Amino acid sequence: KNQVEQSPQSLIILEGKNCTLQCNYTVSPFSNLRWYKQDTGRGPVSLTIMTFSENTKSNGRYTATLDADTKQSSLHITASQLSDSASYICVVSPFSGGYNKLIFGAGTRLAVHP
Amino acid sequence: EPEVTQTPSHQVTQMGQEVILRCVPISNHLYFYWYRQILGQKVEFLVSFYNNEISEKSEIFDDQFSVERPDGSNFTLKIRSTKLEDSAMYFCASRLDISNQPQHFGDGTRLSIL
Repeated sequence: KNQVEQSPQSLIILEGKNCTLQCNYTVSPFSNLRWYKQDTGRGPVSLTIMTFSENTKSNGRYTATLDADTKQSSLHITASQLSDSASYICVVSPFSGGYNKLIFGAGTRLAVHP
Repeated sequence: EPEVTQTPSHQVTQMGQEVILRCVPISNHLYFYWYRQILGQKVEFLVSFYNNEISEKSEIFDDQFSVERPDGSNFTLKIRSTKLEDSAMYFCASRLDISNQPQHFGDGTRLSIL
């Protein structure tokens, strides 16, 4: 069964600190892996997209890594800011003829405290 | 920056009534999606739509659900006879083309069935 698991469920860090969120997936065949940020009451916003041939992708202070052999990904946030407080969702797209339905993880709820 | 817009932001409906959720995708996008998120749970894929027809749908998307793009700009999700378990946040998303492009999400419609 296609699944996406994330850890930790929640995380509290101090402003300015770094953190790393983890994602494991069992989706096969695999097209791409995405990280989304979801603020409370808002829709998800895309941070990064990686295909199976890409190992890392950066977007400002966000850096995602992908190991397609072990089916693991991580999202590293550098120098956290209060506005980084949100849910971070790992999302995998199975290969499905290009229509790209998305399979969502449950997310990691990050709280950045001053 | 162009956005996906959804209306209404909150819909309250009696069980058994029909409800139509509306979305205006980004204007030059070609692929359209509906997802739902039951409170406290993962975002789940419902249906994808391309070239004026459904390209893929999940098990959730049964005969009570339908989608339409009536006028080339709006994209609607209709639930024919709502049930209590249809209470959720419904997200519309759109994507530009078939390559690994991000899906852009609206901020959702919160549907409450009484």
